Amino acid sequence: KAGVTQTPRYLIKTRGQQVTLSCSPISGHRSVSWYQQTPGQGLQFLFEYFSETQRNKGNFPGRFSGRQFSNSRSEMNVSTLELGDSALYLCASSSSQGPNTEAFFGQGTRLTVV
Amino acid sequence: GDSVTQMEGPVTLSEEAFLTINCTYTATGYPSLFWYVQYPGEGLQLLLKATKADDKGSNKGFEATYRKETTSFHLEKGSVQVSDSAVYFCAGRDFGNEKLTFGTGTRLTIIP
Repeated sequence: KAGVTQTPRYLIKTRGQQVTLSCSPISGHRSVSWYQQTPGQGLQFLFEYFSETQRNKGNFPGRFSGRQFSNSRSEMNVSTLELGDSALYLCASSSSQGPNTEAFFGQGTRLTVV
Repeated sequence: GDSVTQMEGPVTLSEEAFLTINCTYTATGYPSLFWYVQYPGEGLQLLLKATKADDKGSNKGFEATYRKETTSFHLEKGSVQVSDSAVYFCAGRDFGNEKLTFGTGTRLTIIP
């Protein structure tokens, strides 16, 4: 069974640009969550999608957005990039069926903004 | 809001030493609690979990018991190995919510 796949693994963007990151969940998983990991702030929740609907959102500016497609694949977009957006972005998928549900993480996309 | 307080690192131990990493969770209810491990260049892997009071999670020699009174979930291992060197994250999740709240992470280095 394939794991969570995130593409690309590495990205370098210039300040002011926008970027789109992709996440393919484990087959059959309908919930996809996104997290930002930085040395200063640690792991912070961005948002969660379930069946193409955003169910939960973290405390990030509107420049951060996402969506989920009918096949459960998800994308997140960051517009008008700032230097502080440099981070490892992690995607997690789960079957979202009760408290014993396990979240499986991808290897992440490392974004560097210069 | 919910928060997780985790022992600050880094932690350096000799091989075969006893390991404890403290974790407490503050929440309105009784969340499920998790320990994740992150190896260099990798994402997070679930190490163990507990979903209710007095549950003990265990995996690969690691253990943690969900203490209801203090909402603590301290990670322990009796004899660490060099291969256990990684960053460990404590996390909590409220019932009915997929959002994980993470601690700051503890970098563990085991010296041969």
